[in-house]
Amino acid sequence: EIVLTQSPATLSLSPGERAALSCRASQSVRSYLAWYQQKPGQAPRLLIYDTSNRATGIPARFSGSGSGTDFTLTISSLEPEDFALYYCQQRSGWPSITFGQGTRLEIK
Amino acid sequence: QVQLVESGGGVVQPGRSLSVSCAASGFTFSRFAMHWVRQAPGEGLEWVAVISSDGRTKHHADSVKGRFTISRDNSKNTLYLEMNSLRVDDTALYYCAKDRDMGAAGYHFDCWGQGTLVTVSS
Repeated sequence: EIVLTQSPATLSLSPGERAALSCRASQSVRSYLAWYQQKPGQAPRLLIYDTSNRATGIPARFSGSGSGTDFTLTISSLEPEDFALYYCQQRSGWPSITFGQGTRLEIK
Repeated sequence: QVQLVESGGGVVQPGRSLSVSCAASGFTFSRFAMHWVRQAPGEGLEWVAVISSDGRTKHHADSVKGRFTISRDNSKNTLYLEMNSLRVDDTALYYCAKDRDMGAAGYHFDCWGQGTLVTVSS
């Protein structure tokens, strides 16, 4: 099973700042990595798929990068609604699909 | 718009069975693979199962293999998850999720329901 490790566990930033969330895989997942946002009481929402492709309706301030085992979700300038939980997910090992444990982005 | 509505959750004793379902609308259900993903209270996300668009191919996570079965009825635009031999650690919010890719499963999930809570407790 491919293990995804997200860091940091919690990131404290202010609106307007730039956020960089990391996801590291235990083995190469090529470019097959996605990012999801989850707010309290809500279902996850797909932000980025296959490393760098924004899903429909996702603002341009969200971007993804990386390859192989190291990936980053960047939010260029934080809006109040961006403070949430973020998960990475790999599909390289299908049908064994795994998620990271999550990074909580909180307001400083 | 795309909508997924889960139902059927509840409280069940360990070792018993329960079935949950997901009604889909707003897209051509029969063209997309579908998934179940669960989230234990206060925990992260765990993929559970996938079924191909035509229902012929299914895969289940090792943690539920042999106990859970995913199925679908394309004439009713409905996805199902039959859960047998339930354990306390199966307690979770069960989400159905639409695959992003048309045709073969791409294993990225672009639409989720709000989930149905399954609690396994004596």
